[in-house]
Amino acid sequence: NAGVTQTPKFQVLKTGQSMTLQCAQDMNHNSMYWYRQDPGMGLRLIYYSASEGTTDKGEVPNGYNVSRLNKREFSLRLESAAPSQTSVYFCASSLAAGATKPQHFGDGTRLSIL
Amino acid sequence: SQELEQSPQSLIVQEGKNLTINCTSSKTLYGLYWYKQKYGEGLIFLMMLQKGGEEKSHEKITAKLDEKKQQSSLHITASQPSHAGIYLCGADFQGGSEKLVFGKGTKLTVNP
Repeated sequence: NAGVTQTPKFQVLKTGQSMTLQCAQDMNHNSMYWYRQDPGMGLRLIYYSASEGTTDKGEVPNGYNVSRLNKREFSLRLESAAPSQTSVYFCASSLAAGATKPQHFGDGTRLSIL
Repeated sequence: SQELEQSPQSLIVQEGKNLTINCTSSKTLYGLYWYKQKYGEGLIFLMMLQKGGEEKSHEKITAKLDEKKQQSSLHITASQPSHAGIYLCGADFQGGSEKLVFGKGTKLTVNP
């Protein structure tokens, strides 16, 4: 059982380039999330999708766009990458919103922007 | 987030020693999640607490949520090198919310 799969695992971009981070889950979960993790800042929510066809902003959405392509896939796009977006990005999924539904995480995408 | 504070930031212990990590909230917790992260990997779900006074255990790790639901502690008994990693707490402040707020993490090193 693969769980949450993120691609790519590593990427280096130049300032101004665009890129899409891919995420897929095989657990039939309804909710999916994108986080970034930075030293000293912890995990911060970028965007989330409560169900197929819906997306909402999290704590740090500026500079990002998302697409919930279907129930399995949730992508994160950087239209014009900036050095401040250098980070480790995590995708997560959960069965549904609620305190009884833990989120399951992928292994992350390490993104460096020069 | 300053809404959720973890202490200590880092911890180095000798194998076999017990240790405690704390997660303190400025608001009432509707749900509190503990995760473990190894370097270069994603977060692994450990336990979830919802009720005041609740306590859960998994192998040698025990987590508690205090009666006022504003603090949780994670206790490891007889630590092993396999316990090393970063421990994060995540909070649901709204009850059934999509948005979990995470602490900054506690880095645990266990020396053999």
